[in-house]
This record gives sequence, structure tokens and C-alpha cells, in this order.
Amino acid sequence: DTAVSQTPKYLVTQMGNDKSIKCEQNLGHDTMYWYKQDSKKFLKIMFSYNNKELIINETVPNRFSPKSPDKAHLNLHINSLELGDSAVYFCASSPQGGPEAFFGQGTRLTVV
Amino acid sequence: QKEVEQNSGPLSVPEGAIASLNCTYSDRGSQSFFWYRQYSGKSPELIMSIYSNGDKEDGRFTAQLNKASQYVSLLIRDSQPSDSATYLCAVSRHDNDMRFGAGTRLTVKP
Repeated sequence: DTAVSQTPKYLVTQMGNDKSIKCEQNLGHDTMYWYKQDSKKFLKIMFSYNNKELIINETVPNRFSPKSPDKAHLNLHINSLELGDSAVYFCASSPQGGPEAFFGQGTRLTVV
Repeated sequence: QKEVEQNSGPLSVPEGAIASLNCTYSDRGSQSFFWYRQYSGKSPELIMSIYSNGDKEDGRFTAQLNKASQYVSLLIRDSQPSDSATYLCAVSRHDNDMRFGAGTRLTVKP
């Protein structure tokens, strides 16, 4: 059973388009995250949610809008995609009272 | 100043040697500290966590924490080629918030 799953794994799209990445975890965790990993491998936190509530919004452009319909899902919608949005986006989750994060397989987004 | 700093490497060690990876962090209120390993094209996976000053050993891995110096390290004994990966230091100020360093790329040469 996949613990944290993201779809799609690869996403190639043109500038200006709107796209979504979905994430689901079956670990029963309360906290979910989105991270962006750039070409230099730096893993930067974008958002964290706890029980569907936004906890961290790390100065991310408002073109990025996370949505958490329930505590097992955290989706990321990106409007008006730009070349600089090209990166690998990782979803992660962690249990209540335990900050250790468990990662999904990543979504490689390429904007052309 | 970056929140979590690591030497990007690459760090190259021969097989069987000890690899030493270092990390410093800026927030004195940080509570929890982690080392993740990331193979090329894969997602990060947790290998060690440490919460109090001192050493913590798990198999060939030893994590060391010095909160006064705001310093975390990871030692890998008897390094194997399969240890070749990027090692990410992560620091958490509280639940729901984990910050990563840029990672150190380790190569273990047979």
C-alpha cells in the first residue's frame, strides 16, 4: 500500500496554463505539506495543513492555492504557470505530535 | 542567513571509511532534528531523528546534536557504495513546520 501518493508523477505544460497536483495519504496523519525542490535540490516548504487548516503559507505567490477537503488529502492548484515554477513538488505528511515527514514520490513539473 | 545550512559537497569517501556530514541551524528554538537520504530521482526518506544533546546511534549511522552550538551531524561508519546519495538535514521548530537544508551529496567510491 502506498503511504503518500501524488498524481501525476510527471506534468509538462505551457506557460499560462492552470494545473493541479493531487496528494493523498493513508497513514492517518494529521499534518500534510507541500514542498518545492528546485534544480539545486533545495527542498523549500510551501504550505502545511493540520486537520484541513492552513498552518504555514511560506510567502508563496497567490497563484498557488492549496486545498484540503479532508485530512487525508491536500491538493495543489497552480494558476498562470510560469517558467520558474518548473521543479519537483513533493507532498508529505506527519503524525500528530511527531514532526517526522513521510514523502510522496514527487511530481516533476516542467513549464515550457 | 539560511535557516538550515549544509555544505553542498560533493563529499567523496572510499568504501569502508567514515563519512561525516554537518549541518547548522539558525533558530535556537528548534526542537527536533532529522537526517533524510535522497537518492537521485527519488523522494527523501527519513534515516535518523534526534531530539536531545548528545549522540544517537542506529546501526552504521550516528547522529550528533549540540544545541548550544546549533550544530547537527551525521556519521556513517563503514560507508558503502549504496550510501551514495544526497543527505538532507531538517529542523523542526514545532509540529507542522519542518525546514530543510540544501543537502550534501555523498559519493562512496568502491
